[in-house]
Amino acid sequence: KQEVTQIPAALSVPEGENLVLNCSFTDSAIYNLQWFRQDPGKGLTSLLLIQSSQREQTSGRLNASLDKSSGRSTLYIAASQPGDSATYLCAVMAAGNKLTFGGGTRVLVKP
Amino acid sequence: DTAVSQTPKYLVTQMGNDKSIKCEQNLGHDTMYWYKQDSKKFLKIMFSYNNKELIINETVPNRFSPKSPDKAHLNLHINSLELGDSAVYFCASSQDLDRSQETQYFGPGTRLLVL
Repeated sequence: KQEVTQIPAALSVPEGENLVLNCSFTDSAIYNLQWFRQDPGKGLTSLLLIQSSQREQTSGRLNASLDKSSGRSTLYIAASQPGDSATYLCAVMAAGNKLTFGGGTRVLVKP
Repeated sequence: DTAVSQTPKYLVTQMGNDKSIKCEQNLGHDTMYWYKQDSKKFLKIMFSYNNKELIINETVPNRFSPKSPDKAHLNLHINSLELGDSAVYFCASSQDLDRSQETQYFGPGTRLLVL
């Protein structure tokens, strides 16, 4: 059974610092890994998708890496801004088209 | 221009009642999903439908019954509501692509509180 863990559960940084969010998964038989953002009271927004054959994806200030063999992914957010405050969720897509989510990392960027 | 919409946004009801949550997507996607996010913020899949056919049915009490009248709609009906059903329910949809590229688009969620 696939399990996804995110560390830390919460993170608070001053504006301008880089953010590093970690995700680990137990079964490496995945199709892709995705990072989502969830704002309070809102739905999820897809940030980055890394296919199982890829090592990383970049979008603006966001960079996500994937090491499938060790079951790990890291999301880097450069030069954080108060608008980056949200919960970040990692999810893996595996057999049966199932997305299994981690518990999320709650990020607060202080001005 | 909402891609995935859900109604209602908030639902407060008494234990034992029956309620429905509606979901619609205008993205032309073939597959729709229902997820439950509990108080600890864990998101877990409940059901998925592909072209009105049930594909995924996770271990969910049979008090929960999804209904897909057409490809663009997936409703969730809950009978005999219990306190533990209080959660945020998210609808999502995806297109049938190569699985390595497939992402899901989420609705804003329905916050259910059972008293």
